[in-house]
Amino acid sequence: NAGVTQTPKFQVLKTGQSMTLQCAQDMNHNSMYWYRQDPGMGLRLIYYSASEGTTDKGEVPNGYNVSRLNKREFSLRLESAAPSQTSVYFCASSRTGQVASGIQPQHFGDGTRLSIL
Amino acid sequence: AQSVTQLDSHVSVSEGTPVLLRCNYSSSYSPSLFWYVQHPNKGLQLLLKYTSAATLVKGINGFEAEFKKSETSFHLTKPSAHMSDAAEYFCVVSEGAAGNKLTFGGGTRVLVKP
Repeated sequence: NAGVTQTPKFQVLKTGQSMTLQCAQDMNHNSMYWYRQDPGMGLRLIYYSASEGTTDKGEVPNGYNVSRLNKREFSLRLESAAPSQTSVYFCASSRTGQVASGIQPQHFGDGTRLSIL
Repeated sequence: AQSVTQLDSHVSVSEGTPVLLRCNYSSSYSPSLFWYVQHPNKGLQLLLKYTSAATLVKGINGFEAEFKKSETSFHLTKPSAHMSDAAEYFCVVSEGAAGNKLTFGGGTRVLVKP
């Protein structure tokens, strides 16, 4: 069971370079998310996509762009990388909306560890 | 606005002893609450979730959590720690039906001593 797959797993960039992080899910989920994880701060939402064709800003969107390519794929782009964007990036997916059992939990990939020098 | 505070950044326990991870939340609405676990170099795995059906929630690997509205708490417990429980744990709140947005606590790192 693949679940949520992120590529690459590791990357080192120089300041000013651009890069796209890829994410794909095979659970037929409508919603997808990008988070960054920094020590002591938990995960913070960068962007999310509630359904194919829509994207919205999260808590920390500055310096990032996203594309919901189709229902399966949601990519995150750094146009001009900065050292402050050194972090671990997680993609997640979930069903959308409340059902009888409440808000649906999110399923996470294993992360992309990004260092910007 | 919703927020989550995990009261301990690190917890150290001996194998076979109880584990208690403390979480307080703030929410304007009836929240959904989750606990996730993250093992080194891995993504987050759902341990359990509370969605108003029952205040005592049982999860995977022997973990359970109790929702106390009067105390705005959602503490995670396990009667007997195992070495494999060494990981980081996140308490998470969601109150948004639209977008399913989550707010994470800062995390509690659990060390299990043999």
